[in-house]
Amino acid sequence: GAVVSQHPSWVICKSGTSVKIECRSLDFQATTMFWYRQFPKQSLMLMATSNEGSKATYEQGVEKDKFLINHASLTLSTLTVTSAHPEDSSFYICSARAPGTSVNNEQFFGPGTRLTVL
Amino acid sequence: AQKVTQAQTEISVVEKEDVTLDCVYETRDTTYYLFWYKQPPSGELVFLIRRNSFDEQNEISGRYSWNFQKSTSSFNFTITASQVVDSAVYFCALRTPPSGTYKYIFGTGTRLKVLA
Repeated sequence: GAVVSQHPSWVICKSGTSVKIECRSLDFQATTMFWYRQFPKQSLMLMATSNEGSKATYEQGVEKDKFLINHASLTLSTLTVTSAHPEDSSFYICSARAPGTSVNNEQFFGPGTRLTVL
Repeated sequence: AQKVTQAQTEISVVEKEDVTLDCVYETRDTTYYLFWYKQPPSGELVFLIRRNSFDEQNEISGRYSWNFQKSTSSFNFTITASQVVDSAVYFCALRTPPSGTYKYIFGTGTRLKVLA
């Protein structure tokens, strides 16, 4: 099946620094990638939808200047948390859509990245 | 408005017991899709099933079965003869038009603990 990887799997950073998280589709081309945030013991909340070669579409309440998303190629999307603060500590999950593959499994999820901001 | 409710926050069962996880959804759209995902402690979401709104047939896959009832807007998930490896958080999700967006609305999840 289609595989999505994320790097790093976990990261600890100091408050005020920026952190970049990569999401890669390893064996398929993903025209659309999604970024989710999951706080402990809570649900996944969609942050933004990223289409290759175009600007990301952010959900209401998500600061686009704080969470920079770049989808420069069909296999890579990056999420940069700028000037991170402790409240940004969360589990960030990406997913990728592979048109033409199984109609049932629409999105393939990455393993997630746990961000801790000190 | 679209919404997915998983009222059961946490369920504990003893191995080999059957367990049903509830999912109630809200949408005004006539075309929609429902999903179940499993999130083990490792964090990666595992796809379990997709059901479209026009297919109310129940589905069985091994020890897993799903009951879709449009009349009650529910899409419940039953695990038969539960095993310790079933311990995870299970999410129900809804996708509605417009087509092409593929945005999911997730429920808050049900944490299932299967005790040996």
